[in-house]
Amino acid sequence: AQSVTQLGSHVSVSEGALVLLRCNYSSSVPPYLFWYVQYPNQGLQLLLKYTSAATLVKGINGFEAEFKKSETSFHLTKPSAHMSDAAEYFCAVTPSSNTGKLIFGQGTTLQVKP
Amino acid sequence: DVKVTQSSRYLVKRTGEKVFLECVQDMDHENMFWYRQDPGLGLRLIYFSYDVKMKEKGDIPEGYSVSREKKERFSLILESASTNQTSMYLCASSRTTIGAGGYTFGSGTRLTVV
Repeated sequence: AQSVTQLGSHVSVSEGALVLLRCNYSSSVPPYLFWYVQYPNQGLQLLLKYTSAATLVKGINGFEAEFKKSETSFHLTKPSAHMSDAAEYFCAVTPSSNTGKLIFGQGTTLQVKP
Repeated sequence: DVKVTQSSRYLVKRTGEKVFLECVQDMDHENMFWYRQDPGLGLRLIYFSYDVKMKEKGDIPEGYSVSREKKERFSLILESASTNQTSMYLCASSRTTIGAGGYTFGSGTRLTVV
């Protein structure tokens, strides 16, 4: 069965520092991969997606992620953290059957310190 | 702007009440989903639907039922609310084949059962 693992339930960075949120997936076939962001008391918003085109994917708010098949990873990065980036981030993958159902990781809460 | 709309942002209900959570999407999506979100547990799938009048159990269907009489509307029903159903409930929709689309989420309903 497919799964998604996000390493670190909480990540804390200083404002202006690099943001790195880790995501590893298990999949027997090339998947579709997604990162979502959730601000307090809101729903999830799509940040970016990998759909077998370019392996480096750029999203909103300066975030990007790189698909590395050899490492089965899809880590999310941002060169310089803003206070407004404080939120919970979810990585998700489609099952190989492409039934329309996403499998989510447990989420990583990003704290940005002034 | 395409939307998934959840009828209530905050809801307080008494133990034993029958509770209806409503979700409407205007994107003509085939798939609709109900998740609950609890701290440390991420998103857990309750029920999903691939088409009108169709429903499938997710990972935690106990104590819940759903209704999908029209394509755009997917209702979650708590037959007899209990305090352990206090949670954030998220509705989402997607195309039949996820492809590049992923999910579109509603803003969530924070339900408190007292």
